[in-house]
Amino acid sequence: GENVEQHPSTLSVQEGDSAVIKCTYSDSASNYFPWYKQELGKRPQLIIDIRSNVGEKKDQRIAVTLNKTAKHFSLHITETQPEDSAVYFCAANGQNFVFGPGTRLSVLP
Amino acid sequence: GAVVSQHPSWVICKSGTSVKIECRSLDFQATTMFWYRQFPKQSLMLMATSNEGSKATYEQGVEKDKFLINHASLTLSTLTVTSAHPEDSSFYICSASFTGRNQPQHFGDGTRLSIL
Repeated sequence: GENVEQHPSTLSVQEGDSAVIKCTYSDSASNYFPWYKQELGKRPQLIIDIRSNVGEKKDQRIAVTLNKTAKHFSLHITETQPEDSAVYFCAANGQNFVFGPGTRLSVLP
Repeated sequence: GAVVSQHPSWVICKSGTSVKIECRSLDFQATTMFWYRQFPKQSLMLMATSNEGSKATYEQGVEKDKFLINHASLTLSTLTVTSAHPEDSSFYICSASFTGRNQPQHFGDGTRLSIL
């Protein structure tokens, strides 16, 4: 089945800097890759997703890139703000949705 | 659109009690819903896939007699934790998606279950 790895597990950046989180997946049949943001005690919220027919997608300060050959995809957040602090999960749709272990992002003011 | 409601949000009960958690898709029909368990500072672990009108598909290691799932309609799935014990204490969260593999999952608010 699908296996999703995510790095780093924790990330601290200064406000205004960029943050990059990387995920790798194992199932070459996976073709949908969402990213979720989860604040403490709250539901995961979809922030951006990408399908395998494109290599990059951008939504304001957030972008996702996909390399199907290498089986990895990355989340890029530019001009980070304190409210970006949360746990971010990537996922891939193998036979089931499989989530990465998460990255705890801290944006320091 | 794509709102998922989960109830209750927090349950505290005695060991041996059975607890039912409801997951509703409010503005769309969901033939498939998913139940996850999340331990503190950990990722979402899929417990089972709930299919409307048929039996749920459980992940390896999840006791189907312990965690009963019923998906009686296109907008409602329930998870019943039977004879709960302290080790069942966790954050349980459901999700639903539109039909198709390439659709995002939309999550409920989760249920924090504490067994004394």
